[in-house]
Amino acid sequence: EDKVVQSPLSLVVHEGDTVTLNCSYEVTNFRSLLWYKQEKKAPTFLFMLTSSGIEKKSGRLSSILDKKELFSILNITATQTGDSAVYLCAVEANSGAGSYQLTFGKGTKLSVIP
Amino acid sequence: EAQVTQNPRYLITVTGKKLTVTCSQNMNHEYMSWYRQDPGLGLRQIYYSMNVEVTDKGDVPEGYKVSRKEKRNFPLILESPSPNQTSLYFCASSWSERRFLEPLHFGNGTRLTVT
Repeated sequence: EDKVVQSPLSLVVHEGDTVTLNCSYEVTNFRSLLWYKQEKKAPTFLFMLTSSGIEKKSGRLSSILDKKELFSILNITATQTGDSAVYLCAVEANSGAGSYQLTFGKGTKLSVIP
Repeated sequence: EAQVTQNPRYLITVTGKKLTVTCSQNMNHEYMSWYRQDPGLGLRQIYYSMNVEVTDKGDVPEGYKVSRKEKRNFPLILESPSPNQTSLYFCASSWSERRFLEPLHFGNGTRLTVT
């Protein structure tokens, strides 16, 4: 069974701190790893990673994938209160016959306090 | 505007009364999926569909039905809802062709309470 484990489950930091969120996975036929940010409503897409060692960056957020060690990290530098959210990691795997499955981790709840 | 639309946003119902949550997307996506989100359990897939008339069970399909008669619509049916189906439900869609590596687009969610 495919498995995606995120850590920590919850994190409280002060504005300006840097945080690192972790996602490890065990899947068969890996296709991609995705990060989403979920505030009060639907998850919104952050990054999709398919290759090891290539950092993806968007403003203060960055992410990298290690396909050998089967994990990814999401970094947020100079955190702001608007970064408070649940961050979801999901792994996409081919499940045969042109089909694929997406398995989500339980999320990391980040709270940024002023 | 490209979007996934779910209705209703909130629903309170009683045990055993059949209900349908609708989901519609305007992006011509082949792939559509339903998830439920519960505290401490994350997002779990209920059913998904790779294309019209093709549906498959996800991780937690019991107590749910789906249909995919048209590309844009993917309703979730609870024939006899029970309190353990109280949850936040998300519909999502994307391209399914292998050459497209594109993330899922989510609807805004339906909060269902079954009493």
